[in-house]
Amino acid sequence: AQKVTQAQTEISVVEKEDVTLDCVYETRDTTYYLFWYKQPPSGELVFLIRRNSFDEQNEISGRYSWNFQKSTSSFNFTITASQVVDSAVYFCALSTKAAGNKLTFGGGTRVLVKP
Amino acid sequence: SQTIHQWPATLVQPVGSPLSLECTVEGTSNPNLYWYRQAAGRGLQLLFYSVGIGQISSEVPQNLSASRPQDRQFILSSKKLLLSDSGFYLCAWSPALGTGGDTQYFGPGTRLTVL
Repeated sequence: AQKVTQAQTEISVVEKEDVTLDCVYETRDTTYYLFWYKQPPSGELVFLIRRNSFDEQNEISGRYSWNFQKSTSSFNFTITASQVVDSAVYFCALSTKAAGNKLTFGGGTRVLVKP
Repeated sequence: SQTIHQWPATLVQPVGSPLSLECTVEGTSNPNLYWYRQAAGRGLQLLFYSVGIGQISSEVPQNLSASRPQDRQFILSSKKLLLSDSGFYLCAWSPALGTGGDTQYFGPGTRLTVL
């Protein structure tokens, strides 16, 4: 069975601060995929990134960066120089080859960026 | 490009009334389709997924059912709504690449309130 844990339920920062969201996953499969989604107040889930278990390279996209560490089963997400528009709920998710395309979501972390 | 639509955007229904939520995808063929529910302040729960017309898999026993009458149409239904059916319903699609771990793209969602 798969499990995703996002221990931080809510994080509040002031604009321009950096914020790191933790994601820890559990799976027995050697082939798996990790995702991050953003859910703004409008409700729609916006895809941010997909990583497979064989690619441990960190990735940077603008102010967003991701740190994938298989040794600790973590896939953390950092927003650099946060902006008010970054206020949203962020979900980490896992799918495995054995489970096909079914996503297992973490509970989400609400990020509040104050001006 | 691909687009996913859901309607209605919001719905208020009395207990015991029927339900029909619709999801359609444009710009792709033979997608995998998914229905999720998000209870207030909580994570996402996969309800149904479909890999083709008339092929529906249910993830949790419940008061709801799903149908896929056309390749890019996915319908969520209930004969008699319960209070516990209230929530935010999200439809998603993914390409059917058969490799596993395909990215799911979400629609704008339907907010259902059962009174």
